[in-house]
Amino acid sequence: DTGVSQNPRHKITKRGQNVTFRCDPISEHNRLYWYRQTLGQGPEFLTYFQNEAQLEKSRLLSDRFSAERPKGSFSTLEIQRTEQGDSAMYLCASSVAGINSPLHFGNGTRLTVT
Amino acid sequence: ILNVEQSPQSLHVQEGDSTNFTCSFPSSNFYALHWYRWETAKSPEALFVMTLNGDEKKKGRISATLNTKEGYSYLYIKGSQPEDSATYLCASELPNNDMRFGAGTRLTVKP
Repeated sequence: DTGVSQNPRHKITKRGQNVTFRCDPISEHNRLYWYRQTLGQGPEFLTYFQNEAQLEKSRLLSDRFSAERPKGSFSTLEIQRTEQGDSAMYLCASSVAGINSPLHFGNGTRLTVT
Repeated sequence: ILNVEQSPQSLHVQEGDSTNFTCSFPSSNFYALHWYRWETAKSPEALFVMTLNGDEKKKGRISATLNTKEGYSYLYIKGSQPEDSATYLCASELPNNDMRFGAGTRLTVKP
């Protein structure tokens, strides 16, 4: 168990550019979540996968955000035409199916849009 | 949209004090309640997952209770230590496994 891995750890980009983040969950975990966290706030739900199926997507998420989990293993989160308001910590978490199953978080990707 | 509220937003206590925080969540459509501890520069770490009304869980000096009928959970820390300083997050899990977090309670324990 190597834990949840996220890459890159930090990303600085200019407004208008596209960025993509990767999350490698714990290998036997079939659930994968993406959250966004800004200063002083708790993690804000973005989307959730069970295996390769995207089961839930936040209504707050604009069309510029898309996430995939093509083989039910790693996941990518892409933000197109980044805006300064997208600057945040993007957290990935995974868990096994079943009740009483806690989330295991990665260290996050900190995005700064200049 | 599910609203999970945590209070207080921040808390400063002296080493040795006992303290508690509150998490409130919509009691309808409840599935499970999670508590996490998030230290600076680290990732959130699971403390407890609770599902049953009246549930009480304990890990060392930290314990939590759950009231699903009225929609609240308390987290207690007995004899706070400086290493307990962190943000404590609660999250309400829905039956579809969607999980929504509160804003957290930031605890600072002064030596």
